[in-house]
Amino acid sequence: DTAVSQTPKYLVTQMGNDKSIKCEQNLGHDTMYWYKQDSKKFLKIMFSYNNKELIINETVPNRFSPKSPDKAHLNLHINSLELGDSAVYFCASSQGWGSQPPGYGYTFGSGTRLTVV
Amino acid sequence: GQQVMQIPQYQHVQEGEDFTTYCNSSTTLSNIQWYKQRPGGHPVFLIQLVKSGEVKKQKRLTFQFGEAKKNSSLHITATQTTDVGTYFCAGHREGGATNKLIFGTGTLLAVQP
Repeated sequence: DTAVSQTPKYLVTQMGNDKSIKCEQNLGHDTMYWYKQDSKKFLKIMFSYNNKELIINETVPNRFSPKSPDKAHLNLHINSLELGDSAVYFCASSQGWGSQPPGYGYTFGSGTRLTVV
Repeated sequence: GQQVMQIPQYQHVQEGEDFTTYCNSSTTLSNIQWYKQRPGGHPVFLIQLVKSGEVKKQKRLTFQFGEAKKNSSLHITATQTTDVGTYFCAGHREGGATNKLIFGTGTLLAVQP
């Protein structure tokens, strides 16, 4: 009954490879996100989808391509992995846009620790 | 661009001592949220404040949103070892892309038993 689930939890891969991370939420939320957390714990938004539509696309290299087949799923594909891509990637979801209803915030998945060697 | 800074970066306290982390935004926020991330875990939503000057309490945690809606604080009374983790504030810029939640730099709290 996990609310936001990400797979895989760990990913170790060589430079130049292509990899995907999958995310699914069973909360009925309309909006999903990808955040990147670096080694200093900074959390930075990468992408946001609302009802399968791309809403936010931060200054992320175009090697990163999100895909949302439906509003419950948001996947992240990364081409030509580089050492600097090593980080923890979090998927998150929320009920809607901006300020949330009282008592609600973003629900995060458990994260995918990507290590590029 | 919008920046949200937190101080201190790191705080080490003895169990039973109080703890406060401060959050400052370069722009006015429409709301402030607080999250806790345990070591090795993921951010977990604690609370949201939306009104200028708002104060909310959750047991030993007190959250405050500044009058100008550019700063916030989280105060923990009588810390316990279960309080260990990184505390993040996060906010939406007033008048900005409404679903772009910007996270603060975080404060790592260590509690010594």
